[in-house]
Parts: sequence; structure tokens; C-alpha cells
Amino acid sequence: QSVLTQPPSVSAAPGQKVSISCSGSSSTIEKTSVSWYQQVPGMAPKLLIYDNNKRPPGIPDRFSASKSGTSATLGITGLQTGDEADYYCGTWNTTLSTGGGLFGGGTKLTVL
Amino acid sequence: QVTLKESGPALVKPTQTLTLTCTFSGFSLRITGMRVSWIRQPPGKALEWLARIDWDDDTFYSTSLRTRLNISKDSSKNQVVLTMTNVDPEDTATYYCARLRYIRGAYFFDYWGQGTLVTVSS
Repeated sequence: QSVLTQPPSVSAAPGQKVSISCSGSSSTIEKTSVSWYQQVPGMAPKLLIYDNNKRPPGIPDRFSASKSGTSATLGITGLQTGDEADYYCGTWNTTLSTGGGLFGGGTKLTVL
Repeated sequence: QVTLKESGPALVKPTQTLTLTCTFSGFSLRITGMRVSWIRQPPGKALEWLARIDWDDDTFYSTSLRTRLNISKDSSKNQVVLTMTNVDPEDTATYYCARLRYIRGAYFFDYWGQGTLVTVSS
């Protein structure tokens, strides 16, 4: 069971907007930044968002994210069939001496 | 252009030691601030962070797997090696290596390899 909690699945129609939540704790999300990854079936994960709300070059502004307290949210507007994928939130556990990476359980997005 | 590619055996027997190699290009682990991690994903399941090695040879491991993992680097070859001892069928997964960045307090994996599927079975 993942330390970061995401809904198993979300769905919406093409052109619509969807939000994916990521819930952590005071020792994870609240203390450090959140990143988001898109994983198309059969492919490696791809960075969508880093430092809570920043997009790497090449990521369209249809993808946005925010963080508040112990939770973070990824938003996708203008849904396209190509957005169908699994989405993972990630953060870092800075309270452990091991300095470990953490991922959510993933959310499967279906574009109806 | 940053690329990473994983290599290793596709099939390993239980109790054996698994050795995976990540060969990368477009950056150097000799440069201050550069880091590489290993992450795995069992079939149909979520991502799981395993280990990290930094430019200065600092290493970090998953708490639950630290006794079985070892990560090392050969900066002259642009390679990072992960060994996992005493493998079990539950270690069956796609193993990814990824470049880990740390910018103004934010950790994130900006480039990933394509992954290599390792099956543990007798």
C-alpha cells in the first residue's frame, strides 16, 4: 500500500476537465514538493509536473497542478484520447535518513 | 540529449542475485548535483523507488529492501549498477533507471529509461 493515496481511476469525456488527487501527510507532501508522471500503457513514466506546479519544456498548459498542506492535485483540461494513461504523484521523504522516494498508487484516466 | 537504458537478465531464478546496469548519456555523474535512481514496477502495480546514487558517491536505499540492494557507479563508463540479492518471485517487475534532479528543494525524475522486465521464476 502506497504512502501517497490516489484514486484508482477517474474518467471524463473528450474536451472535459478532470482532477486527480494525491494525499500524503505532514512528513511527506507537506514538507517537500510534489511531482507528477504520466505513464502510457507499455511505456516508461514521463515527467509532467515538478516542484508542485512547474511544467517541463514541451508539456502543454492543459496540464496544471497545485499543492496545499498534505495534498496535491493534478488537473487536465481539454481532455484528449491521447491523455488516457496512468498518472502517478511523487515526492521525497525527507524525514528518513535514507532520503527515500515515494510514489502514489497511480490513477488510471479513461477518456470516454 | 539525455538518454538512459537499462540492461540485464530477463529471467532469474529464486535466491539468485540480480544485476542490472543503467547506461546513460547526455550528462555525467562526475558533475556536482547529478543523481541516478532505480525504480521498479511489478506488472499491473504502482511504481516503487529502490535506490539512489549521487555524484559524490552518497547512496540511499528503500527502507524495506536496503539489506538486499547495492548501487554503484562507474562514471568513466556512464553506468550505474544495481544488485539485488536473494531474489524472490515478488521481485518480478519492470526495472527503470531515472535521472534524479534536485532544484531549489524539489526532487523529481526528469528522464527515464525504457525499462527492463525481469521475471523471477524457477
